[in-house]
Amino acid sequence: NAGVTQTPKFRILKIGQSMTLQCTQDMNHNYMYWYRQDPGMGLKLIYYSVGAGITDKGEVPNGYNVSRSTTEDFPLRLELAAPSQTSVYFCAISGSGGADYEQYFGPGTRLTVT
Amino acid sequence: AQSVTQPDIHITVSEGASLELRCNDSYGATPYLFWYVQSPGQGLQLLLKYFSGDTLVQGIKGFEAEFKRSQSSFNLRKPSVHWSDAAEYFCAVGATYNFNKFYFGSGTKLNVKP
Repeated sequence: NAGVTQTPKFRILKIGQSMTLQCTQDMNHNYMYWYRQDPGMGLKLIYYSVGAGITDKGEVPNGYNVSRSTTEDFPLRLELAAPSQTSVYFCAISGSGGADYEQYFGPGTRLTVT
Repeated sequence: AQSVTQPDIHITVSEGASLELRCNDSYGATPYLFWYVQSPGQGLQLLLKYFSGDTLVQGIKGFEAEFKRSQSSFNLRKPSVHWSDAAEYFCAVGATYNFNKFYFGSGTKLNVKP
């Protein structure tokens, strides 16, 4: 039971390039989230999903896109990378309430845009 | 908008001393409160959570936190700090209007003096 896995661990992009950050879970939780963490800052919510086929914007969605075709996967797409997107990206999952109501985090993807 | 405040950016304590990290939720009404710890280069690990009931909750690694509704606070405490506790600590709350949307504080970095 790996929980939440993210790939890649590190990536360097040139300005204007695009890439997809992968997130996969094996806990069968409905809720999935993407956060970014800038140096010395807390986490900012980019997008989240309450189930397959349903996504919604968080605090900082500009420059990103998401899709959720299965319960397990929640990829984050950067279309035209900009230096402002240099950050560490965390994927998280949670259940819908009660004992499952906490977020489990992946190990993160460190992205540098130059 | 709902916000979570961690007023202390950095805290330094001596090993063996007691610790209290502060957290305030702007609404004070959400029943879902969390503390996470992040070691350098790592993801976030849940220390403890509060849903309802007893307002003093126990977590892992000897940490505890108390929810005080009148003060909108959920401070994290440990009676005797160990050098391995040096890390960054994040408070988080479930959004009042959408319990599966989380808000994180900006974090408190803890240094432990020998």
